[in-house]
Amino acid sequence: GNSVTQMEGPVTLSEEAFLTINCTYTATGYPSLFWYVQYPGEGLQLLLKATKADDKGSNKGFEATYRKETTSFHLEKGSVQVSDSAVYFCALSDLLTGANNLFFGTGTRLTVIP
Amino acid sequence: EAQVTQNPRYLITVTGKKLTVTCSQNMNHEYMSWYRQDPGLGLRQIYYSMNVEVTDKGDVPEGYKVSRKEKRNFPLILESPSPNQTSLYFCASSSPGTSPLHFGNGTRLTVT
Repeated sequence: GNSVTQMEGPVTLSEEAFLTINCTYTATGYPSLFWYVQYPGEGLQLLLKATKADDKGSNKGFEATYRKETTSFHLEKGSVQVSDSAVYFCALSDLLTGANNLFFGTGTRLTVIP
Repeated sequence: EAQVTQNPRYLITVTGKKLTVTCSQNMNHEYMSWYRQDPGLGLRQIYYSMNVEVTDKGDVPEGYKVSRKEKRNFPLILESPSPNQTSLYFCASSSPGTSPLHFGNGTRLTVT
């Protein structure tokens, strides 16, 4: 079956530090992979995605590369800002029931301190 | 403005009292879905709908009902709420394929 395992948080970093949030997955076939971000009091928003192996998704300085060999999609940012404080969710699409159906990880809360 | 609107944002109710959480989207999306978010469990899908009059169970459908009579609306119905349904609920919609999901701002439900 499908599953997503995410690095447990919370993660606290100083401004301008390097960020890595690990994500590994189990899936039948080759799903699309996503990172969503949830700011306080809001719904989730798509941060980036990759639809096939070796694709790199990027947005707002965040990057993640679809690694088929390690079944991973780790999120990275070179220099975090206070405004990046949020909860980050890794997700994969379910190829059996439809690409819109997503399986989410448990989320990783990031706090960036000045 | 393109958006998914959920109502209410907050709801406190008692065990067994039927309730409905509404969800409406203005983007003409075919796909809509309900998730619940619980600490340590992430988001789990309750029900989804690929189009009008087409609904399917997600991972945790027990105790919930949905309907999709119109394209824009996808209400979540709890016929007899129980305390284990206390959670944060999100509605989402999307175009077909790997288009991003658009989420509402959530409904925090407390069942006492």
